[in-house]
Amino acid sequence: DAKTTQPPSMDCAEGRAANLPCNHSTISGNEYVYWYRQIHSQGPQYIIHGLKNNETNEMASLIITEDRKSSTLILPHATLRDTAVYYCIVRSPGYSSASKIIFGSGTRLSIRP
Amino acid sequence: SAVISQKPSRDICQRGTSLTIQCQVDSQVTMMFWYRQQPGQSLTLIATANQGSEATYESGFVIDKFPISRPNLTFSTLTVSNMSPEDSSIYLCSVSRETNTEAFFGQGTRLTVV
Repeated sequence: DAKTTQPPSMDCAEGRAANLPCNHSTISGNEYVYWYRQIHSQGPQYIIHGLKNNETNEMASLIITEDRKSSTLILPHATLRDTAVYYCIVRSPGYSSASKIIFGSGTRLSIRP
Repeated sequence: SAVISQKPSRDICQRGTSLTIQCQVDSQVTMMFWYRQQPGQSLTLIATANQGSEATYESGFVIDKFPISRPNLTFSTLTVSNMSPEDSSIYLCSVSRETNTEAFFGQGTRLTVV
C-alpha cells in the first residue's frame, strides 16, 4: 500500500505558485520523498526528490518538514502545461524489492487561465 | 536520464490470446518495474524484475498470468496471458539505475481486449 496521502484535486491560477501537500507520517529514516507527475496519456515524469533538506531544481521546489511527516511540492509559476496528476511517493534505498515505487491516488492539479 | 522504448505502443487483442510487451532501455539499468494503469486509475505495480533473478510479484499478480523475462541489463518483457476484457489497461515499464535516483518510465502500451 502507498505510504502517502494527498488531496484528490486542486486548482491554481496560471502564473501563481501551486503548492501541493503530501502526508507521509509513517516514513522511515532512510526513505526518500519523490514527486512525479503524469500528464494525460503519458508515462510519469520525475520532478524532484529529497531526504530531509529542502530541494530545488528547474521544475519545482520540495519542502520537507523537520519531522519528515509531510512535504509540499511548489511549482513557482504554474502554466497550463502543468495540468497533470501529481504523485508523492516514499521510497527505500537498496536494490531489493523494498525499493519499489508504489503509487497512491495522487492529486489532480488543474491550472485555470 | 534513460530512454525507454516500449513495444507495441498499443494493440487490440482477442480474449484468450497472449501479448508480449517489450521494454528496451538505451543503457544498463539495475532495476526494472512493470505497472498496470486501468482507465482513470493510478499505477499499480505488477512486479519488480532484476537481472539474474526471478521477478518479484505484488499481491494479486501471479507469474502464470504475467510472466516476465529479464535476460540482460537493458531489456525485459512482460506477457499478459489468456487475456480477458478486464486486462484492458495501459502497461508501463519503469527503470532505475541506482538507489535514490529518479526512475524513468516508458510511454506505455495501451492494450484493449475484445
